Amino acid sequence: DVLMTQTPVSLPVSLGGQVSISCRSSQSLVHSDGNTYLHWYLQKPGQSPQLLIYRVSNRFSGVPDRFSGSGSGTDFTLKISRVEPEDLGVYYCLQSTHFPYTFGAGTKLELK
Amino acid sequence: EVQLVESGGGLVQPGRSLKLSCLASGFTFSNYGMNWIRQAPGKGLEWVASISSSSSYIYYADTVKGRFTISRDNAKNTLYLQMTSLRSEDTALYYCARRLGDYWGQGVMVTVSS
Repeated sequence: DVLMTQTPVSLPVSLGGQVSISCRSSQSLVHSDGNTYLHWYLQKPGQSPQLLIYRVSNRFSGVPDRFSGSGSGTDFTLKISRVEPEDLGVYYCLQSTHFPYTFGAGTKLELK
Repeated sequence: EVQLVESGGGLVQPGRSLKLSCLASGFTFSNYGMNWIRQAPGKGLEWVASISSSSSYIYYADTVKGRFTISRDNAKNTLYLQMTSLRSEDTALYYCARRLGDYWGQGVMVTVSS
């Protein structure tokens, strides 16, 4: 199975600040079709997860451009700039290149 | 508006069975692969199973293989998860999610306990 190592576990931030979350996979996430199926989700307290970024760097509909994804192969990053209160919660990466699909363990973004 | 509404959860004894449903609306259900994903209390997300749009391709997590069966009825716009031989470690909030998780339901709680 592909192990997704997500860091940090906890990320204190000041409103208006910028943060980065890392997700590293134990093997390449490049699919045989040439795409890389690495996605980012935010789960706000008491809510279902919501898609932020799909296939490494594509913002889902309605997601502010403060969110950006980058990376390739086995190393991926989610950056959040100008953090707002509604950005707080737990962030997860997911790889859907290989079955079984696997999530990172999550990064809790919280106020300093 | 895309909506996914799960149902069928509850309290069940170890070893018993339960069937979850996910009613989809607001999109052409038969065009999309679907997933079940679960979250144990206070824990992270765990992918459970996937099914392609026409049910041709089905995959399971090792933790549920042989015990859970994912299926769908495109005429009824409904996704199912038949769960048998339930264990305490299956206790979780079960979400259905479309394709790459672009839309999720609100989740349905399954508690396995005697």
